Amino acid sequence: EAGVAQSPRYKIIEKRQSVAFWCNPISGHATLYWYQQILGQGPKLLIQFQNNGVVDDSQLPKDRFSAERLKGVDSTLKIQPAKLEDSAVYLCASSLAQGAGDGYTFGSGTRLTVV
Amino acid sequence: GENVEQHPSTLSVQEGDSAVIKCTYSDSASNYFPWYKQELGKGPQLIIDIRSNVGEKKDQRIAVTLNKTAKHFSLHITETQPEDSAVYFCAASPQGQKVTFGIGTKLQVIP
Repeated sequence: EAGVAQSPRYKIIEKRQSVAFWCNPISGHATLYWYQQILGQGPKLLIQFQNNGVVDDSQLPKDRFSAERLKGVDSTLKIQPAKLEDSAVYLCASSLAQGAGDGYTFGSGTRLTVV
Repeated sequence: GENVEQHPSTLSVQEGDSAVIKCTYSDSASNYFPWYKQELGKGPQLIIDIRSNVGEKKDQRIAVTLNKTAKHFSLHITETQPEDSAVYFCAASPQGQKVTFGIGTKLQVIP
């Protein structure tokens, strides 16, 4: 089966600019996650969707980050305006159902550099 | 919320030796403990997981152990090979809730 697709792979922007990332999960996976991975750290959950509804966005900096999954399939994550500390790899993952017991499948991520 | 601590942060072993990575967790409600391997430029890949109703699980050269009383779990890789070189993450999750990752262990297998 095809894996989790993410684009772009790399993005360099100046601070205060906006940026958007796209994710297409594995077909049939109802749950989609966006993680932020800062260099040298483990992934940190930003937002979790179940179909097109938000399950957990408690760690999403809502003043600058937004995410949507309108049709319950692919998703976009946006940052506006970006800060230097947003430099990180943004990982998308999906699973069959809500709950970690199914195991996640991660995409290769988008490496964002804010200068 | 859950807090997962992982050590060591870096580990170098000779090819053929064993490698052990240890993690502790804080939330006694956690009952699912996956391990991920992340190679350079790729997303983390699930390599093995264990649930709280078992104390040990093996898959070829990889084994995980879990001590719920002490709230710690470990990854054991035997007969290490150069392709085992990567960053390994432990994680913990209460049933149906988000997965919290450790900080990662960079494993280097020296040929």
